[in-house]
Amino acid sequence: DTAVSQTPKYLVTQMGNDKSIKCEQNLGHDTMYWYKQDSKKFLKIMFSYNNKELIINETVPNRFSPKSPDKAHLNLHINSLELGDSAVYFCASSQYIATEQFFGPGTRLTVL
Amino acid sequence: KQEVTQIPAALSVPEGENLVLNCSFTDSAIYNLQWFRQDPGKGLTSLLLIQSSQREQTSGRLNASLDKSSGRSTLYIAASQPGDSATYLCAVGANSKLTFGKGITLSVRP
Repeated sequence: DTAVSQTPKYLVTQMGNDKSIKCEQNLGHDTMYWYKQDSKKFLKIMFSYNNKELIINETVPNRFSPKSPDKAHLNLHINSLELGDSAVYFCASSQYIATEQFFGPGTRLTVL
Repeated sequence: KQEVTQIPAALSVPEGENLVLNCSFTDSAIYNLQWFRQDPGKGLTSLLLIQSSQREQTSGRLNASLDKSSGRSTLYIAASQPGDSATYLCAVGANSKLTFGKGITLSVRP
């Protein structure tokens, strides 16, 4: 009965590879987000989707491509991984844009 | 551009103490403010949400206040316990996103 789930929990890969992180919410929310937490633990928004439509792309390199197949899912695909992409990626959801956000457990990505 | 500041970065208190965690933000055009707790290696747990029209919210031993005009929020923790040890993050909601502070790492000593 997990509210916001992410897979995988850990991802270790080589530079230059392409990888995806999946996110699902069973809360019936309309809005979903991707945040990145860097090595200094600072959390920053990457993308925001409302009803499957992209509403925020916070100057993220175009190697990062989010995809929302339906309102319950927001996946993150990353091409040509770089060392600097190593971080913890959190998915979140909220009922609407200006309501409480609930976070998933995070995916720790390590690029070697 | 919204900036959220949490000072100090770390705090250590003895068990039983009442404490206040501070958060300040630069742009008062927000629709809400959320306090989160993050345990090491874990995700974020939402503690309290204050809408911009509200002054405070309470949940158990936690009380959060919001003064939007001065750009400040406080999280009050009553009778602190070792289990309260974690990083506490303040985040302001505006423009379809949350902007986070860098967090305060709290250690409650038995």
